Amino acid sequence: AQSVTQLGSHVSVSEGALVLLRCNYSSSVPPYLFWYVQYPNQGLQLLLKYTSAATLVKGINGFEAEFKKSETSFHLTKPSAHMSDAAEYFCAVSHGTSGSARQLTFGSGTQLTVLP
Amino acid sequence: EPEVTQTPSHQVTQMGQEVILRCVPISNHLYFYWYRQILGQKVEFLVSFYNNEISEKSEIFDDQFSVERPDGSNFTLKIRSTKLEDSAMYFCASSGVATNEKLFFGSGTQLSVL
Repeated sequence: AQSVTQLGSHVSVSEGALVLLRCNYSSSVPPYLFWYVQYPNQGLQLLLKYTSAATLVKGINGFEAEFKKSETSFHLTKPSAHMSDAAEYFCAVSHGTSGSARQLTFGSGTQLTVLP
Repeated sequence: EPEVTQTPSHQVTQMGQEVILRCVPISNHLYFYWYRQILGQKVEFLVSFYNNEISEKSEIFDDQFSVERPDGSNFTLKIRSTKLEDSAMYFCASSGVATNEKLFFGSGTQLSVL
């Protein structure tokens, strides 16, 4: 079975400060890992994904995440928060094999608030 | 960027009624999915669909649910005899063939069962 745990349902940062959203995964096989963002009244948009290539993954809007197998983590970071980053962020995992690769298991989400 | 379109954005129904949630996936995609998010809970996988048949489904996707691709563009989720606990945001998604291709999600249909 696979699962993800997002630490912190709400995170607040000041504009210009570092953003760090935590995600730990559990998977019995090498995982594919994803971060999705959901802006109000919109669908889930893929920020970045890890599919067993480089462990440091760069995504859209200046976000990046590092896959650390020893820590079973895939934390999302951005050096400098912008007001437009305020949204809900979801970490997700899937198996890296066909058949189950498309069944994403989501974390419970982290609501990011950016303070002026 | 191409979009997955879902209609309606909000659906209110009485308990016991049937509802059909509609989705137009991205035109060259071959895999289609439904996920749902009950208020305050995680986004949950319901079903994936490929080549006109269900390829995977979760334990949530019981006989009350069905999916269909009635024509070349639409992908529907039918819920027969809705229950109060079916109230949720339902997301449709689509993807290409490769196993590591990203899913494109629609903006969701908020279903309220009264």
